[in-house]
Amino acid sequence: KAGVTQTPRYLIKTRGQQVTLSCSPISGHRSVSWYQQTPGQGLQFLFEYFSETQRNKGNFPGRFSGRQFSNSRSEMNVSTLELGDSALYLCASSLDLRELFFGEGSRLTVL
Amino acid sequence: GNSVTQMEGPVTLSEEAFLTINCTYTATGYPSLFWYVQYPGEGLQLLLKATKADDKGSNKGFEATYRKETTSFHLEKGSVQVSDSAVYFCALSALYTGNQFYFGTGTSLTVIP
Repeated sequence: KAGVTQTPRYLIKTRGQQVTLSCSPISGHRSVSWYQQTPGQGLQFLFEYFSETQRNKGNFPGRFSGRQFSNSRSEMNVSTLELGDSALYLCASSLDLRELFFGEGSRLTVL
Repeated sequence: GNSVTQMEGPVTLSEEAFLTINCTYTATGYPSLFWYVQYPGEGLQLLLKATKADDKGSNKGFEATYRKETTSFHLEKGSVQVSDSAVYFCALSALYTGNQFYFGTGTSLTVIP
């Protein structure tokens, strides 16, 4: 069974640009969550989608957005990048809301 | 609110030493508790979990017991190996928070031969 796939794995952007990250969940999983991981703040919840609807959102500015498609694949977008957005962005999928399965993450560096 | 506090690292142990990583939580309702492990360059993997008080989760020689009276979920292993070197995260998932997990800050473990 294929795991959670995130693309791209690494990317470098400059301040002011925007970025889109993609996540393909485990087959059959309809819930997709996104987390930001930084050395200073640890793992912080961004948002969760289920059947194309955002069900829960963390405390991030509106520059962070996401969506989910009918095949459960999800994307997150960060606009007007800031240096502080440099982080590992982790996607996790879930079948029954009781366990998260994480991808390997997309490491974003903002210069 | 919901939060997880875990032992600060880094922790360095010799091979075959005993490991304890402390984790305490604050939650409304009756949370499920988890330990996740992150190896270098990888995402998080579920190590073990417990869904109700007094449950013991175990996997790969690691154990943790859900203690409601002390709001704790300490991770233990009797004899660590070099391959256990990783970052360990305690987490909780509580009712009415959807699929939002609350993570501790992580504890880095290095096991030396």
